[in-house]
Amino acid sequence: DIQMTQSPSSLSASVGDRVTITCRAGQSISSYLNWYQQKPGKAPNLLIHAASSLQSGVPSRFSGSASGTDFTLTISSLQPEDFATYYCQQSYSIPYTFGQGTKLEIK
Amino acid sequence: QVQLQESGPGLVKPSQTLSLTCTVSGGSISSGGYYWSWIRQHPGKGLEWIGYISNTGSTYYSPSLKSRISISADMSKNQFSLKLSSVTAADTAVYYCARSFNWNAAHPWGQGTLVTVSS
Repeated sequence: DIQMTQSPSSLSASVGDRVTITCRAGQSISSYLNWYQQKPGKAPNLLIHAASSLQSGVPSRFSGSASGTDFTLTISSLQPEDFATYYCQQSYSIPYTFGQGTKLEIK
Repeated sequence: QVQLQESGPGLVKPSQTLSLTCTVSGGSISSGGYYWSWIRQHPGKGLEWIGYISNTGSTYYSPSLKSRISISADMSKNQFSLKLSSVTAADTAVYYCARSFNWNAAHPWGQGTLVTVSS
């Protein structure tokens, strides 16, 4: 299985802050990296697929980038509705493994 | 737009088989280019990919669960199903169904259903 290491595991930030979450793959996964947002009691929601392609309907303050096996999710200006848990997922090799999650909390 | 809804028993006894169904509306599971997935989340924990089925009926399973799972589809009802045999308390989780498409990303997801394994 491909291990996905996500950091940090938790993060405190304020509305308007720029936030970056990182995910490192244990081996090359090309651009098969997806980011999801999950709010308490809800199903995850796809934000970005293929490392940097914004899912339709997702605000443009979310962006993704890649450098080798390191992937980054950036939120350019945090909004109140962005406080949630974020997961990365590799979809290159079965089983499609997830990172352990980053809980984004209000400072 | 496509919507998915899980259904099935919320309580299963140890050693029995967990059976869940995902009903898809707003789109056909026989459409090409999509895979119909099951993903689970243990209470308070992260996400675990279980497997998926294609529109042609091909199945792909997580190796860690492969000996116990079966995913099937009923095109006439626009549903796909998960069976997980010989369950233990470690299989207690919220089970989600989802559609996988571009780059195997999962979207959209069903709301999830909690299955508790307990006697």
